[in-house]
Amino acid sequence: KNEVEQSPQNLTAQEGEFITINCSYSVGISALHWLQQHPGGGIVSLFMLSSGKKKHGRLIATINIQEKHSSLHITASHPRDSAVYICAVRWSSGDKLTFGTGTRLAVRP
Amino acid sequence: NAGVTQTPKFRILKIGQSMTLQCAQDMNHNYMYWYRQDPGMGLKLIYYSVGAGITDKGEVPNGYNVSRSTTEDFPLRLELAAPSQTSVYFCASSYSGTGNYGYTFGSGTRLTVV
Repeated sequence: KNEVEQSPQNLTAQEGEFITINCSYSVGISALHWLQQHPGGGIVSLFMLSSGKKKHGRLIATINIQEKHSSLHITASHPRDSAVYICAVRWSSGDKLTFGTGTRLAVRP
Repeated sequence: NAGVTQTPKFRILKIGQSMTLQCAQDMNHNYMYWYRQDPGMGLKLIYYSVGAGITDKGEVPNGYNVSRSTTEDFPLRLELAAPSQTSVYFCASSYSGTGNYGYTFGSGTRLTVV
C-alpha cells in the first residue's frame, strides 16, 4: 500500500529554535510537495522536490530518494510559522497526490 | 489575480438536502481538483478534471458529482447530503498534472450535515 507518514504529529517550539519536520514514504515517487495550512484553513504550496534541496527564506526542504525520506527545516522560527505542515507525494506509478496527515507546529514567543 | 475562489466558506445542511460548492480559478490552469479533509486524516481526492469537458473520479467520489463546462469553473455537487459528508472541502488547480509548477488551493468550505 502506498503510504505517507509524517513525524512528529505535534510540535511546540520556542521562538528562534531550529525546527525539523519529517516525511517518509513507502515506494518510488516522481515528486514530493510540502504545503502549509494556516490556522484559518488556507493551504499554500511551499516546495516541490524531486531531488536534492530547495531553500526559500527561512525554509529549507531536502529529499533523500534512496531512503524515501524528506525533511522540512525552519530556521529562526517565529510565531507566524505556527501552522500545519503537510507532505504530499506523487507516486511514480500514478498521477495523483497522496497526502500525509500533517504536523501541527506551534511556535511560542 | 484572485487565484482559486471557493464559495461558500461555511454551510450547514440538513440530511437529504442538496447543494453545490463553487470553485473558480483565473490562472488558466488545465487541472482542477476537489479534496476533502477530515480530522486526523490526509486530504482525499474526490474528483478531478484535466480540462474543460473532462472529469474523473478520485479516491472518494461516492455521493458527489462534478462538471467542467469551462476552464475556469469546477463546481462540486452534493445531491443527498449525509452526516458522513461533514468535512472541509478544498478546491485546487495546477498548470499540469505533474504539479511541477505547484498547486494553488482555495480557502476551503466547512460543511456540516445535521
